[in-house]
Amino acid sequence: GAVVSQHPSRVICKSGTSVKIECRSLDFQATTMFWYRQFPKQSLMLMATSNEGSKATYEQGVEKDKFLINHASLTLSTLTVTSAHPEDSSFYICSARGKGAGDLLRLEQYFGPGTRLTVT
Amino acid sequence: AQSVSQHNHHVILSEAASLELGCNYSYGGTVNLFWYVQYPGQHLQLLLKYFSGDPLVKGIKGFEAEFIKSKFSFNLRKPSVQWSDTAEYFCAVNSLLKVNDMRFGAGTRLTVKP
Repeated sequence: GAVVSQHPSRVICKSGTSVKIECRSLDFQATTMFWYRQFPKQSLMLMATSNEGSKATYEQGVEKDKFLINHASLTLSTLTVTSAHPEDSSFYICSARGKGAGDLLRLEQYFGPGTRLTVT
Repeated sequence: AQSVSQHNHHVILSEAASLELGCNYSYGGTVNLFWYVQYPGQHLQLLLKYFSGDPLVKGIKGFEAEFIKSKFSFNLRKPSVQWSDTAEYFCAVNSLLKVNDMRFGAGTRLTVKP
């Protein structure tokens, strides 16, 4: 099946520093990748959508200068949280949708295991 | 506005009890519907999906869901739950016109007591 990995799984950083989170599709090419944020006991909130080779589309209220997204290849997207603050502490989840033949792969999203970010 | 509602925040059942988790959506056009499960400490996994055809869909681990278009609902069911079904369950919806716009419900925490 389609597998999405994220690295790191957990990161603790000091306030004011930047953190990069990687998302990889391991066995398929992802034309579109999504970044979500999940607060405790709440649902996933879409932050941004990125297509390979183009700029990410951010959801309303998400600061594009703070959450930098790069989708440089069909298997890798990165989210950089710049000048992190304690309120950025959260669980960040990436998701990828494939390029393969057949509608199902293009419609279904596969999720990574998430990255727990703690900003002290 | 497009939204997904899950009625139950936390459901507690004993093993072998039947399960039904509600999901209603407000979404224009033709929809695709999903149920995801998140076991403790693990990532989201797809339980089942509906794109078209038979409105009663069967997924993994004995789960099924029924799409009732007139009620804008996609409830998840399982005849007999097991302790291992303890997890968070999320309903999600997108549409063919907005495949990038997948909306999630708030989630339902299921606790199954042995």
